Amino acid sequence: GAGVSQTPSNKVTEKGKYVELRCDPISGHTALYWYRQSLGQGPEFLIYFQGTGAADDSGLPNDRFFAVRPEGSVSTLKIQRTERGDSAVYLCASSSYPGQEAFFGQGTRLTVV
Amino acid sequence: GENVEQHPSTLSVQEGDSAVIKCTYSDSASNYFPWYKQELGKRPQLIIDIRSNVGEKKDQRIAVTLNKTAKHFSLHITETQPEDSAVYFCAASGDTGNQFYFGTGTSLTVIP
Repeated sequence: GAGVSQTPSNKVTEKGKYVELRCDPISGHTALYWYRQSLGQGPEFLIYFQGTGAADDSGLPNDRFFAVRPEGSVSTLKIQRTERGDSAVYLCASSSYPGQEAFFGQGTRLTVV
Repeated sequence: GENVEQHPSTLSVQEGDSAVIKCTYSDSASNYFPWYKQELGKRPQLIIDIRSNVGEKKDQRIAVTLNKTAKHFSLHITETQPEDSAVYFCAASGDTGNQFYFGTGTSLTVIP
């Protein structure tokens, strides 16, 4: 595709529910990153994929967060038992190779009520 | 891990003046330093980047300098225009590109 695409653009969910956020990276990009951005803050690292494997998941805040990238392209970030503190914009980025410039999607704004 | 600090948090300049944003990093292994511009409600957009094998890079009105010894890098915008108003983030990344460590952002306002 022309750029990194994230769906949905907005998601409102009730506390305790399960949500899935999707990221379509730029075609052919092997590296994929998930970040979380709260208002007035810089992007906070969550997880990084190189191909299909999670090369670094040290940023996931707890075991309610999980991400997959089964075929090395599309990735899904899954959040179980959502809490109000999970409300943020979730950004996905991809790069052709690790250490190359990363392109961001427009983000998914998650609101937990 | 890496720690990136960014200053100032807010910056106001008159149109036509220059703006400088500074970042420091802690991990000497970091070797790639991109700068992103984020307008309200939009995605971060890469505006310029620099690698550790060069000290300065320029692209029209935007330049970035890197001092590896002191572990700091700066963004310079000359002849600022109102459309330069946005939040700017610096970032640092290591050899394996595991992740990009971001600064906390600088909100730049260019006053017409």
